Amino acid sequence: KNQVEQSPQSLIILEGKNCTLQCNYTVSPFSNLRWYKQDTGRGPVSLTIMTFSENTKSNGRYTATLDADTKQSSLHITASQLSDSASYICVVTSWGFKTIFGAGTRLFVKA
Amino acid sequence: DTEVTQTPKHLVMGMTNKKSLKCEQHMGHRAMYWYKQKAKKPPELMFVYSYEKLSINESVPSRFSPECPNSSLLNLHLHALQPEDSALYLCASSQTSRQGEPQHFGDGTRLSIL
Repeated sequence: KNQVEQSPQSLIILEGKNCTLQCNYTVSPFSNLRWYKQDTGRGPVSLTIMTFSENTKSNGRYTATLDADTKQSSLHITASQLSDSASYICVVTSWGFKTIFGAGTRLFVKA
Repeated sequence: DTEVTQTPKHLVMGMTNKKSLKCEQHMGHRAMYWYKQKAKKPPELMFVYSYEKLSINESVPSRFSPECPNSSLLNLHLHALQPEDSALYLCASSQTSRQGEPQHFGDGTRLSIL
C-alpha cells in the first residue's frame, strides 16, 4: 500500500534552534518527493522537489535530503524563525498524477 | 500573495443551495487541480484538468461538478452538499501535467455547510 508517514506529528523549538523533520514512504514506483510549507489558513507552498537521483536540495534555510534506497527523506531547518511556525507536508508522486500526501508535521517556533 | 487566486475566501451555504468556487491563474499553466482539505489533515486530490480536459476524477460525488472554461480558469460547482463537505477547498496549477513539476496552490476557499 502506498503510504507517506511523517514524524514527529508536532514539534516545539526555540527561535534560533535547528530542527529536522522526517518522512518515510512506501510509494512505488517513485517519481519525486516534495516538501511543502503550509501556514494556517493558507495554501501549501513548495519548498523543495527531489527526484530519484538527487540526494540533497537547499532552499535558503531549508535543506531536504533523500535516500531513495531506504525511502526516507528529511527536511532540516536551520536557525529557525518565528515565521517558520507552520505545517510541513511531505508529498510523494508516483506515475502520472498519483500523489500521496503525508499527514504533516506541525512546527511551533517559540521566542 | 499567491499566484493562484481563489474566490470567495469563505463561503457558508445551506444544503439546498447552489454555489460555485472559482480559481484563476495567469502563469500559463496548463494543468489545474482541485483538492479538499479537512482540519489537520493533508489535502486530498479531487479533480485534475490537463489542457482544459478532465484527466482525473478521484471518485468524487456528483454534487461536486468541476468546469474548466479556459486555460486560466477553474470552477467547482456545488449543489446539495452535506455537512461533511465542510472543508478548505484548494486549487493548484502546474506548468503541465508532467511528473516532477511544482504545483502552485491558492489560499483556498473555506466552505461551511449548514
